[in-house]
Amino acid sequence: DQQVKQNSPSLSVQEGRISILNCDYTNSMFDYFLWYKKYPAEGPTFLISISSIKDKNEDGRFTVFLNKSAKHLSLHIVPSQPGDSAVYFCAASARNSGGSNYKLTFGKGTLLTVNP
Amino acid sequence: DAMVIQNPRYQVTQFGKPVTLSCSQTLNHNVMYWYQQKSSQAPKLLFHYYDKDFNNEADTPDNFQSRRPNTSFCFLDIRSPGLGDAAMYLCATSRGGRVADTQYFGPGTRLTVL
Repeated sequence: DQQVKQNSPSLSVQEGRISILNCDYTNSMFDYFLWYKKYPAEGPTFLISISSIKDKNEDGRFTVFLNKSAKHLSLHIVPSQPGDSAVYFCAASARNSGGSNYKLTFGKGTLLTVNP
Repeated sequence: DAMVIQNPRYQVTQFGKPVTLSCSQTLNHNVMYWYQQKSSQAPKLLFHYYDKDFNNEADTPDNFQSRRPNTSFCFLDIRSPGLGDAAMYLCATSRGGRVADTQYFGPGTRLTVL
């Protein structure tokens, strides 16, 4: 049962336009959400995060929006650049079963291609 | 720069031959994680250490073991690799504690099983 879903395996956008990557989750215990960017043959790189008490967080060209009632978050990249081409993973954090720490649950990722 | 380092970046082993993957960190984080990621899949948590406390995921096969001899290092041991264990193995760290925080990943080790 996938608790974090990224329903679009891929997205293609023109340089300079907005990229919108979407993520849905089912577990209401998630209280912290993150986006990671991954290039081929590299590990995921942290991009931006948002706490469940907020609905928006912005960092330069990247903005994450959280809609708790819809259990939905999105990542907006404006303007998109060719260097943004990568796989983007959505991740959600909740306490592990023992309560001692938090663990991340990842979506399957969305491949973003920004065309020059 | 503080970082998470994984060695080797690429590992080839034979079916059934034990293999050890290494992770080290200079972030002085309390928690170290091991993930398995197969092509076009989400990273899957295998286990994590909070300091010296080992936390195994319920569906992690017994074939996978881990050691954390000190704060900086953590090892993933695959006792008898099968063809299905070929994957990218990712190590991550976080400060840990009562507040959710960010995990920082190493570059990964690509394991091939022949």
